[in-house]
Amino acid sequence: EVQLVESGGDLVQPGGSLRLSCATSGFTFRSYWMSWLRQAPGKGLEWVANINLDGGEKNYVDSVRGRFTISRDNAQNSLYLQMNSLRVEDTAVYYCGGVAPGYWGQGTLVTVSS
Amino acid sequence: DIQMTQSPSSLSASVGDRVTITCRASQGIGNDLAWYQQKPGKAPKRLIYGVSSLQSGVPSRFSGSGSGTDFTLTISSLQPEDFATYFCLQHNNYPLTFGGGTKVEIK
Repeated sequence: EVQLVESGGDLVQPGGSLRLSCATSGFTFRSYWMSWLRQAPGKGLEWVANINLDGGEKNYVDSVRGRFTISRDNAQNSLYLQMNSLRVEDTAVYYCGGVAPGYWGQGTLVTVSS
Repeated sequence: DIQMTQSPSSLSASVGDRVTITCRASQGIGNDLAWYQQKPGKAPKRLIYGVSSLQSGVPSRFSGSGSGTDFTLTISSLQPEDFATYFCLQHNNYPLTFGGGTKVEIK
């Protein structure tokens, strides 16, 4: 059974940092590009970032470039998102997954508020 | 950025109805188009990939079609469990972009 479990979401003040983690199992993690999506309350889905198989190529949506860093650990079948300089508009449920396999986790809530 | 214009934004339909949702891309995206279903508080679930390929385990009443810039998701006979929000996703160009979503409600 494919499982992706995100963790690390929390309430943080503007300007703060968080690190999201995504533990995966049930599929060959190292064979897929992996992504983070987010969904602000009551809004649609937004792609945030992705990373290639060995972590050597990373892509970001403009609104997070320079503030967020995606990474992966293929030995641990895990994906990460380091989020710095957080803004109120980063408030959302963050999902990890892969566009190619089409699997996504249940999400973790990040709230940025003073 | 490629804009994905999805329509309608919502619709009301009855069980057994045929439902069609469309996405129009602002430029050609080849076959790099997927459709997702999302229920409240749940993860997005992929239904269709590569424009028309059915995800394993997804009922055959779901189908996708289209080419170039115009794409369609069809539910041939709406079932109670299909009331949800549907999104298209293009992954041909960065940033990957989603359509705005179509909420399918019970009439």
